[in-house]
Amino acid sequence: EVQLLESGGGLVQPGGSLRLSCAASGFTFSNYAMSWVRQAPGKGLEWVSVISGSGGSTYYAASVKGRFTISRDNSKNTLYLQMNSLRAEDTAVYYCAKYPVTIPNDAFDIWGQGTMVTVSS
Amino acid sequence: QPVLTQSPSASASLGASVKLTCTLSSGHSSYAIAWHQQQPEKGPRYLMKLYSDGSHRKGDGITDRFSGSSSGAERYLTISSLQSEDEADYYCQTWGTGSVVFGGGTKLTVL
Repeated sequence: EVQLLESGGGLVQPGGSLRLSCAASGFTFSNYAMSWVRQAPGKGLEWVSVISGSGGSTYYAASVKGRFTISRDNSKNTLYLQMNSLRAEDTAVYYCAKYPVTIPNDAFDIWGQGTMVTVSS
Repeated sequence: QPVLTQSPSASASLGASVKLTCTLSSGHSSYAIAWHQQQPEKGPRYLMKLYSDGSHRKGDGITDRFSGSSSGAERYLTISSLQSEDEADYYCQTWGTGSVVFGGGTKLTVL
């Protein structure tokens, strides 16, 4: 069964850092691009970042560029999101999502269940 | 970068059908989109990819009650024989290489 399981969320103070992980199973992880998408409380979905299957190409939304870093370890079947200089407006549930292709140019076909990040003093 | 527009809410009765709309911004009417369902307190679920000619590719295990169609810049999701578990938020998505755009979502209430 194809599965994505996020972890690493929690409460962090403004200006702090947090690293999210997404453990993948049930498919050949390195063959597929991956993404992070977030959802603030009561709001819609917002794309955050994307990484190609090899990890060689990364892309970011303007709202997080320069503060967040997406990466992957294909030997561990795990996707990461390093979040620095966190702000209150970064408070959201963070989902990882899988593409059905290596290059990130398609719809997401699998989603995780999400991990909550709360930025507050 | 296209913009996707969805009505904030829709409602229909149990057993009836409903048609949700996602509209692509001007100049982007040839774009494919995807529909995703998000039930309360759950992560999103991929329903289908929908092309400008109306053809679509559903996700694994998606019931035939969900279907897609297209007309110009509009992309539709039709849900037939509505069930209580269809009450959810529905998002459309489109993309470019390394970029993703979501519509604002439609909250569907099953009466």
